[in-house]
Amino acid sequence: SAVISQKPSRDICQRGTSLTIQCQVDSQVTMMFWYRQQPGQSLTLIATANQGSEATYESGFVIDKFPISRPNLTFSTLTVSNMSPEDSSIYLCSVPEGANEQFFGPGTRLTVL
Amino acid sequence: KQEVTQIPAALSVPEGENLVLNCSFTDSAIYNLQWFRQDPGKGLTSLLLIQSSQREQTSGRLNASLDKSSGRSTLYIAASQPGDSATYLCAANTNAGKSTFGDGTTLTVKP
Repeated sequence: SAVISQKPSRDICQRGTSLTIQCQVDSQVTMMFWYRQQPGQSLTLIATANQGSEATYESGFVIDKFPISRPNLTFSTLTVSNMSPEDSSIYLCSVPEGANEQFFGPGTRLTVL
Repeated sequence: KQEVTQIPAALSVPEGENLVLNCSFTDSAIYNLQWFRQDPGKGLTSLLLIQSSQREQTSGRLNASLDKSSGRSTLYIAASQPGDSATYLCAANTNAGKSTFGDGTTLTVKP
């Protein structure tokens, strides 16, 4: 399976600032996804990161708040903009392999004060 | 819109017991169903993947079944161990690679 890494692993940020999270995969993949896991809750899909075009956002998520880049087939970034305490979550990237088996990165734990 | 429900939300058992975790989904048009394990503060580890055409998959002490027509999947853990303590998540996957997750079952296995 693909090896997925994320940076940073965790961060504590001030309200109103922005944080960019990186996701690196050790092989070329067509699709990459970004998920959010709020405290005590399950995972919610934020968007699909499309290589060479704009990301596709799920209902309730917008590009101004969560801009995504996908410059190539192995790398993507998610920015959490103008953060508030409600953005405190674990952010995870995932890639499907083979028969659409999902593999996840280790996650970025974000705390907003 | 797909909705995934997991029961129970939490489970505590003594070491050695066999147990069953339940997952139900509202839209049977899934591509596959996947079970994950998540340790506190960590990412997700894929345990088992069942294709929509399959009935079950086994890996070691784990066995997952799928009844697509009734919208149900179960994860059976045999001879539970304290190291099995974690949150178990099921996800219904589309052929576009998107996953809808349940809220998880938090399992505690007591020595």
